[in-house]
Amino acid sequence: GENVEQHPSTLSVQEGDSAVIKCTYSDSASNYFPWYKQELGKRPQLIIDIRSNVGEKKDQRIAVTLNKTAKHFSLHITETQPEDSAVYFCAASYSTNDYKLSFGAGTTVTVRA
Amino acid sequence: DGGITQSPKYLFRKEGQNVTLSCEQNLNHDAMYWYRQDPGQGLRLIYYSQIVNDFQKGDIAEGYSVSREKKESFPLTVTSAQKNPTAFYLCASSGQGGGTEAFFGQGTRLTVV
Repeated sequence: GENVEQHPSTLSVQEGDSAVIKCTYSDSASNYFPWYKQELGKRPQLIIDIRSNVGEKKDQRIAVTLNKTAKHFSLHITETQPEDSAVYFCAASYSTNDYKLSFGAGTTVTVRA
Repeated sequence: DGGITQSPKYLFRKEGQNVTLSCEQNLNHDAMYWYRQDPGQGLRLIYYSQIVNDFQKGDIAEGYSVSREKKESFPLTVTSAQKNPTAFYLCASSGQGGGTEAFFGQGTRLTVV
């Protein structure tokens, strides 16, 4: 089955700096890679996703890159703000026949003011 | 708020007892998921279902059981066979299964006393 590894487990950045979180996946058949943000005491919510036919996707201050050959994808947050402090999860799934959605262990991001 | 509801929010169980966690969605989603969240271990998949009357084991299914008799409902039973049931449980659903956004419930915190 799919195994998603996520690094680092914790990340502290100065406000205004960039944050990068990296994930690797094991199943080459996976073709959908979402990122979720979970604020303290709240449910996870989708912030951005990418499909295997795209190498990069950007939405304002966040971007995701995908390297299918190496089986890894990354989340980039630029110009970090205090409200970016949260736990971020990457995930992978194979969207055709199996709806299994596997998550990484999460990265706790702290933005220092 | 998101159309997916978990109940109760907090649940206490005595050792040796089975307990059932409720998950209901009104989003007309085909796929539903149960995850367990422990500190530092991310979201671990317990069971998932792609259609009514069908479900598959996730990565940590031992000690748990589910049913999917209706599209809207996907209850999770934590049995006495689950050795360490104290955790935060999250239910999610997605419209077309793999490859689309998953929406999460608010979670149920189960404590064994």
